[in-house]
Amino acid sequence: DAGITQSPRYKITETGRQVTLMCHQTWSHSYMFWYRQDLGHGLRLIYYSAAADITDKGEVPDGYVVSRSKTENFPLTLESATRSQTSVYFCASSQIATNEKLFFGSGTQLSVL
Amino acid sequence: AQKITQTQPGMFVQEKEAVTLDCTYDTSDPSYGLFWYKQPSSGEMIFLIYQGSYDQQNATEGRYSLNFQKARKSANLVISASQLGDSAMYFCAMREVYNNNDMRFGAGTRLTVKP
Repeated sequence: DAGITQSPRYKITETGRQVTLMCHQTWSHSYMFWYRQDLGHGLRLIYYSAAADITDKGEVPDGYVVSRSKTENFPLTLESATRSQTSVYFCASSQIATNEKLFFGSGTQLSVL
Repeated sequence: AQKITQTQPGMFVQEKEAVTLDCTYDTSDPSYGLFWYKQPSSGEMIFLIYQGSYDQQNATEGRYSLNFQKARKSANLVISASQLGDSAMYFCAMREVYNNNDMRFGAGTRLTVKP
C-alpha cells in the first residue's frame, strides 16, 4: 500500500543496546523527518533530510544517527540506548515547500529498560 | 528559543459550542507556513488546516478556522460546534524557509469535549 510505514510498532530494549527504527515512504517525497513525542514537550525534531544523502540536525539530535541512501528510506539509529530515549517516535515525509503538510507514520513506541 | 508556544495544556468545551486553541510563534522569516494537527487517543497525526504567511484571508476547513493575526504572531485554531470526537491533542506547527523548511511543533493542547 502507498504511504509511510514505520517499523517496529513497539520495541523494548535495554540500556546500551543499539536500536534501529525504520521508516519507508512510497510517495517519493523529498523531505523526511524524525520526531520524538514526550508528555509536555509535544513533538521535537530529531533529524530531517531534504533529499537522499542530505541530513540535518533538529532540536534534539544527541544520541541519534540517521542515514538516507535512498529517497524512500530514512532509518533512525540509537547507537547506545538510554532510558531518556524512551519515547514515541514518529517519522514523517513531505514535498519541499513551506506550504506542504507533513504525512506521518503510525509511530514507534520505544521503551528502554 | 521556543518557536511555537501553546499556553493551554488542557481545555474543556461543552458539546456544540465553539472553542479557540491558542498558538503564538516566533520567526523573522517573511515566508512561513502554519499548520494545525490533531492527535486522537489512537495516536495518529491528522492534518487539519494550513495558513501561509502571505495569505490575506484566514484559512477555513469545514468546522475548523484559523484566526491568523500576523502582527501579533498568533495563529489560533477555532473549532465551531464541538463534537465528542473532537476530544484529542491539538498541535500547532510552523515551517520556515530560513530553517530549511523543517517543521517545529508546539507542546500541544489537550481538548476535552463534554456531553
